[in-house]
Amino acid sequence: DAKTTQPTSMDCAEGRAANLPCNHSTISGNEYVYWYRQIHSQGPQYIIHGLKNNETNEMASLIITEDRKSSTLILPHATLRDTAVYYCIVRAWGNSGGYQKVTFGTGTKLQVIP
Amino acid sequence: GAVVSQHPSRVICKSGTSVKIECRSLDFQATTMFWYRQFPKKSLMLMATSNEGSKATYEQGVEKDKFLINHASLTLSTLTVTSAHPEDSSFYICSARRGQGAYEQYFGPGTRLTVT
Repeated sequence: DAKTTQPTSMDCAEGRAANLPCNHSTISGNEYVYWYRQIHSQGPQYIIHGLKNNETNEMASLIITEDRKSSTLILPHATLRDTAVYYCIVRAWGNSGGYQKVTFGTGTKLQVIP
Repeated sequence: GAVVSQHPSRVICKSGTSVKIECRSLDFQATTMFWYRQFPKKSLMLMATSNEGSKATYEQGVEKDKFLINHASLTLSTLTVTSAHPEDSSFYICSARRGQGAYEQYFGPGTRLTVT
C-alpha cells in the first residue's frame, strides 16, 4: 500500500468548512483513496473513498488532484461532533494479492472550535 | 446497515488470566475480519486478518499463541488474549469486510482491556 502524509493536527471554526489534505505521491494506478475518522475511544468510521474523480456523499467531499498524488477531504460545515482523528489511506481494491487490509498512519487530529 | 459490534466494551482482568473478545457483524456476512490494537494517543496497529473457516494471518511481531483468533462463522470472530500481562492493556478494535470484492471495512466500537 502507498504511504500517505497528513498534517498532525488542524483547527477549524464551527460552521466553517474543514479541508484536510493528504499527500500520496507514490499511489499506483489501482489504488483508491479512503478516508476514515476516529472519534475518541470509538472505532474508526468510514467516510468516503475515490479513485480519480471527485466524490461527495452525505458526510463529506473528496477532491483528488488530476495526477492523484494528493487529495483533500472537505467537511462543508464542521460541527463540534466532527472533532476526531482523520485517516487518509490508499489501497488497492479487489481480491487479488491479499485480504485488502487497511493500514492506518498517524492521521490528522481535527479540533472543531466553537 | 453494516453494523459491527464488540463485546465486552470494557474488561478488567488479572495478570495471568485469559480474556475473550467477541466481534460480530450484525446485519451482513463478513468473509474477512481484522483485529487491531491501539495504544493511547497512537494509531491503530493491525494484529491479524482472518477468513471464515481458516487460520488467521498474523502481522509480524504479533504472537499467534498469545492472541488466539477464531473466525468460526460468517458473523463472529473472537480474539482471546491468553496469559494476559499489564502491557497487553490496550484498546482492541475489530473490523469486518462484507463479502468478496467488497471494498469497505466496517469497524466495531472497540474493547478497552485493562490488565491489573
